[in-house]
Amino acid sequence: DSGVTQTPKHLITATGQRVTLRCSPRSGDLSVYWYQQSLDQGLQFLIHYYNGEERAKGNILERFSAQQFPDLHSELNLSSLELGDSALYFCASSVGRAAYGYTFGSGTRLTVV
Amino acid sequence: GIQVEQSPPDLILQEGANSTLRCNFSDSVNNLQWFHQNPWGQLINLFYIPSGTKQNGRLSATTVATERYSLLYISSSQTTDSGVYFCAVETYSGAGSYQLTFGKGTKLSVIP
Repeated sequence: DSGVTQTPKHLITATGQRVTLRCSPRSGDLSVYWYQQSLDQGLQFLIHYYNGEERAKGNILERFSAQQFPDLHSELNLSSLELGDSALYFCASSVGRAAYGYTFGSGTRLTVV
Repeated sequence: GIQVEQSPPDLILQEGANSTLRCNFSDSVNNLQWFHQNPWGQLINLFYIPSGTKQNGRLSATTVATERYSLLYISSSQTTDSGVYFCAVETYSGAGSYQLTFGKGTKLSVIP
């Protein structure tokens, strides 16, 4: 157990729907990063939150949004889902703003049908 | 943005064999990490290695930052080493944020 908890582990939904993925960072970690792993794009950085504030955005679609709550858990919201959004979504946490000591969760496998 | 290239893309080994995986990157980086993704999809950090050499059991890694490459050595491979090995470089993306840019990975299959 890495200490980073992601739920749900698997999610199957239809095109056009909206889903929410949840991540609880390791105790004491203030940073949460979201990554997407798809067959065609590989592992890509989506967004970074530090202590409730958005710090950086990567290749995140406008249909996707995220937030980090006061208890430091984070949610990634994916809307108007398309077949191409099927992927493994990872959350990672670290103590500070640097990526030193990244710890990844086990991921949420999203399948859009 | 920075480019990260890994080679070879696929590797099949007999159990007990040794191997070297390579990672080239196109620009200077703050740091470099090696990850193993097991067949269940879990990403495990193997090394955090901005420069120099580190060893952990049968695995070792060397990064030569001035020449922009890193090597991961696997000795006496075991079937449990199978999976995909990723190299990821850490770059500063502003506002105190660092992100990882991943290579496409090397898929390793160790056969008994």
